Amino acid sequence: RKEVEQDPGPFNVPEGATVAFNCTYSNSASQSFFWYRQDCRKEPKLLMSVYSSGNEDGRFTAQLNRASQYISLLIRDSKLSDSATYLCVVNNNFNKFYFGSGTKLNVKP
Amino acid sequence: NAGVTQTPKFRVLKTGQSMTLLCAQDMNHEYMYWYRQDPGMGLRLIHYSVGEGTTAKGEVPDGYNVSRLKKQNFLLGLESAAPSQTSVYFCASRVAGTGTDTQYFGPGTRLTVL
Repeated sequence: RKEVEQDPGPFNVPEGATVAFNCTYSNSASQSFFWYRQDCRKEPKLLMSVYSSGNEDGRFTAQLNRASQYISLLIRDSKLSDSATYLCVVNNNFNKFYFGSGTKLNVKP
Repeated sequence: NAGVTQTPKFRVLKTGQSMTLLCAQDMNHEYMYWYRQDPGMGLRLIHYSVGEGTTAKGEVPDGYNVSRLKKQNFLLGLESAAPSQTSVYFCASRVAGTGTDTQYFGPGTRLTVL
């Protein structure tokens, strides 16, 4: 079983829409959680960390559900520039990080 | 402050050839990582290092070797390249600590093995 699983999409949404992605993880002892953004043929960049109480950064909201072992990312008022692949990342010990295969988002005019 | 840099950016090898990928960071980070990314798949950890002179295996270490002789550099070697090693290779570094700190990635090396 994969450590981290994501719906690959693509999610095709119009500008201004709200879109949500989920990600599930298999190790209940996982300690820290992140969303990264990856543009085509570029390196991943941190979008936001995910905290137990949930956290928000502008139009982006991340939630963690430890009981069901999933994390979510909500994007409000989508912009064309949000088009990218969103990677869910989980840390199971201090040293190793496990990446999901990514969810592709296309925001259309 | 260049962050994380990788050399080369592109490379084409023939089966059986060897090469070394260089990762350099100027942020004084303790931890460094090598990942590979294949189409439709997430990044998979090849090897990592928690400090100068130390290395450890990740998820997919076979066919690769690494060295961390200097804190700022992390080298990934392919002794005898195979077509299955065609991939995009990313290096990353982070400060250290509890696992909550950010990984910073280099721009990647696109390797094709014919």
